[in-house]
Amino acid sequence: EVQLVESGGGLVQPGGSLRLSCAASGFTFSTYWLHWVRQAPGKGLLWVSRINTDGSSTDYADSVKGRFTISRDNAKNTLYLQMNSLRAEDTALYFCARAARSGSYDYWGQGTLVTVSS
Amino acid sequence: DIQVTQSPSSLSASVGDRVSITCRASQGIGNYLAWYQQKPGKVPNLLIYGASTLQSGVPSRFSGSGSGTDFTLTISSLQSEDVATYYCQKYNSAPWTFGQGTKVEIK
Repeated sequence: EVQLVESGGGLVQPGGSLRLSCAASGFTFSTYWLHWVRQAPGKGLLWVSRINTDGSSTDYADSVKGRFTISRDNAKNTLYLQMNSLRAEDTALYFCARAARSGSYDYWGQGTLVTVSS
Repeated sequence: DIQVTQSPSSLSASVGDRVSITCRASQGIGNYLAWYQQKPGKVPNLLIYGASTLQSGVPSRFSGSGSGTDFTLTISSLQSEDVATYYCQKYNSAPWTFGQGTKVEIK
């Protein structure tokens, strides 16, 4: 069974940092692209970042470019999102998602909540 | 960047009604369009990919159509369990933009 389990969320002050993790199981982790998607409370889905199979290629939403870094450890079956210079508007539930061969997201984690507040 | 505009933002319909949601891309994206359903308090669930391919396990009352810039998600006979917010997403290239969402309620 495919599972994606996020962790690392919490309360952080503006300007602070957090590192999110997404532990994967039930599939060959190293052969799939992975994404981070966030959802602010009561709002819609916002794509954040994507990484290819070996980590050599990444993309970011303009709103997080230069502040967030996506990475992966294929030996540990884990995806990461390093978030620096956090702002109040980064407050959201952060999901990791697996991109199917088609490119759409066939599996999602349950999400980890990030709250940026003083 | 290609913009994705979804409409309507909300709709209310009766059980058994045919319901349609549209998604428009500001430039052509071929058929690289997916539809997701998110029930309250739950994780999004893939319904349709490739604009018209039904994801395994999704009821056949859901269908997708379109290509290029204009796409439609149709629920042929709305059921109470279809109460949710529906999102389209382009995935031809970065950014993998979602539509604003359509909240579907029962009248």
